[in-house]
Amino acid sequence: AQSVAQPEDQVNVAEGNPLTVKCTYSVSGNPYLFWYVQYPNRGLQFLLKYITGDNLVKGSYGFEAEFNKSQTSFHLKKPSALVSDSALYFCAVRENTNAGKSTFGDGTTLTVKP
Amino acid sequence: EAGVAQSPRYKIIEKRQSVAFWCNPISGHATLYWYQQILGQGPKLLIQFQNNGVVDDSQLPKDRFSAERLKGVDSTLKIQPAKLEDSAVYLCASSPSGGATGYTFGSGTRLTVV
Repeated sequence: AQSVAQPEDQVNVAEGNPLTVKCTYSVSGNPYLFWYVQYPNRGLQFLLKYITGDNLVKGSYGFEAEFNKSQTSFHLKKPSALVSDSALYFCAVRENTNAGKSTFGDGTTLTVKP
Repeated sequence: EAGVAQSPRYKIIEKRQSVAFWCNPISGHATLYWYQQILGQGPKLLIQFQNNGVVDDSQLPKDRFSAERLKGVDSTLKIQPAKLEDSAVYLCASSPSGGATGYTFGSGTRLTVV
């Protein structure tokens, strides 16, 4: 069975500093990996994905994520945080099949302080 | 492009009552998902449709939950009878066929069972 772990419930950073939100996963075979963001009273929004190729993938709003196969990790990063990045972030892993289902982590609340 | 539409946005019912949620996915998206998100947890897959066929309903409590996707477009999720532990946000998502794309989520229906 596939699973996702987000070891930090909360991440706090100062505006302008780099941020990292951690994610590790377990899945059979090669994974599809995703990050989603959830703002208050809004649905989840897709941020970025890793399917194959370059281990560093870039997504919306200046976010990027690094896939590390040996550590089974897919950490979300941003070089310079904004107050508006404050939200709930979910990592998800998906089976590498045509009808694969996504399994989500329990989320990490990112707070960026001015 | 219109997003995933869900209704109602909020619903409060008493335990043992029934409730239904509606979802209209993005036009042309073959795959539709219903997720349950309990406060403080990540979304958990309830059921996945490919066109109008069920791909995965292994985590759907079939004694009380049912879902259908008539004509491969709109979908309804029903709970009958509701329990207190069903209080959650019910998220609908859709994606094109194939596993390498992120999901587009609706805003969700917040259900409170009292």
